[in-house]
Amino acid sequence: KQEVTQIPAALSVPEGENLVLNCSFTDSAIYNLQWFRQDPGKGLTSLLLIQSSQREQTSGRLNASLDKSSGRSTLYIAASQPGDSATYLCAVRPQGSQGNLIFGKGTKLSVKP
Amino acid sequence: DVKVTQSSRYLVKRTGEKVFLECVQDMDHENMFWYRQDPGLGLRLIYFSYDVKMKEKGDIPEGYSVSREKKERFSLILESASTNQTSMYLCASRGDRTGSYEQYFGPGTRLTVT
Repeated sequence: KQEVTQIPAALSVPEGENLVLNCSFTDSAIYNLQWFRQDPGKGLTSLLLIQSSQREQTSGRLNASLDKSSGRSTLYIAASQPGDSATYLCAVRPQGSQGNLIFGKGTKLSVKP
Repeated sequence: DVKVTQSSRYLVKRTGEKVFLECVQDMDHENMFWYRQDPGLGLRLIYFSYDVKMKEKGDIPEGYSVSREKKERFSLILESASTNQTSMYLCASRGDRTGSYEQYFGPGTRLTVT
């Protein structure tokens, strides 16, 4: 059974720091991996999607990498800002399934001014 | 831009009431999903639908049912609301046939059952 883990559960950094959020999954047979952001009391916003054949995706100050064979993905945030404070979730889509995503429990990021 | 809307942001219902949560997407996506999110438990899939009138049980379907009569609309029904169904409910859609593969979420409905 696929399991997705995000460590740490919470992270606090000063503004301007570059940071990395980690996501690991137990079964490398995935179709893709998606990173989301969630603000308190709100829905999830899609940040980046990486197909299994890709190694990384970039959007602005965000860069997500995927190492399928080792079951790992990282989300790199450059020059962090207080507005980046949110919970970041990763989710994998297993191969061969109808398409349900398996979510990690998220990393709560706090960027201090 | 993909837009997924949910009928209510906040809802308060009494135990035993029948509750309808509506979700509408405007991008002709064939896949739609209902999740609930609780502290410490993360997101859990209740039901999903991969086409009109089609539905599949997720991880926690007990106490819920769904309806998908039109492609753009996916309804979650709590037949007889109970206090343990107090939660944040999130709807999502995805259009694999469009080649997008990204899953998009609505703003959520915070349901309180008293």
